Amino acid sequence: NAGVTQTPKFQVLKTGQSMTLQCAQDMNHEYMSWYRQDPGMGLRLIHYSVGAGITDQGEVPNGYNVSRSTTEDFPLRLLSAAPSQTSVYFCASSYSRVGELFFGEGSRLTVL
Amino acid sequence: GENVEQHPSTLSVQEGDSAVIKCTYSDSASNYFPWYKQELGKGPQLIIDIRSNVGEKKDQRIAVTLNKTAKHFSLHITETQPEDSAVYFCAASRGGNQFYFGTGTSLTVIP
Repeated sequence: NAGVTQTPKFQVLKTGQSMTLQCAQDMNHEYMSWYRQDPGMGLRLIHYSVGAGITDQGEVPNGYNVSRSTTEDFPLRLLSAAPSQTSVYFCASSYSRVGELFFGEGSRLTVL
Repeated sequence: GENVEQHPSTLSVQEGDSAVIKCTYSDSASNYFPWYKQELGKGPQLIIDIRSNVGEKKDQRIAVTLNKTAKHFSLHITETQPEDSAVYFCAASRGGNQFYFGTGTSLTVIP
């Protein structure tokens, strides 16, 4: 069982470039979410989804876009990368609206 | 929105001693309080959680207590071992798959 798989693990971008962070889960979880982790700030929710076709904004959604066309996949798009988006990004899935989050291993993004 | 504060930010204990990490939250509607452990280079993993209708929960060397009136909850690790060294995060949720995390505590267990 692979769990939550994130790709790529590392990425360097130039300011203004766009890219997509991929997230896939094989646990048939309805709930998926994206967090960013910055030193001294914990994990902050970017976007989340309660099922295929349904997404919503979290605490820090600006500059990011998501879609959920299948139960398994929840990609995060950076439209025009900025240095402030340098961070470690975690995708998580859950079987319940109030239950355990299963995290991927993270994607470290550097924007120059 | 919810605001979760976590203290201390760093904690060093001797092997075998106890460690306590404390969190406060602001939203009285929050009803689920998990604790996650994050090892270097890995994603966080759930170690214990508590719901608002329970005051205390134990799982071997780990316990969590919740005081709804004061809006604070704590993680207690007894008989600490070197493998307990990691970053610990508390979180609060009122549902809808939205979680608010504390800023983390880096725990070092000294052999």
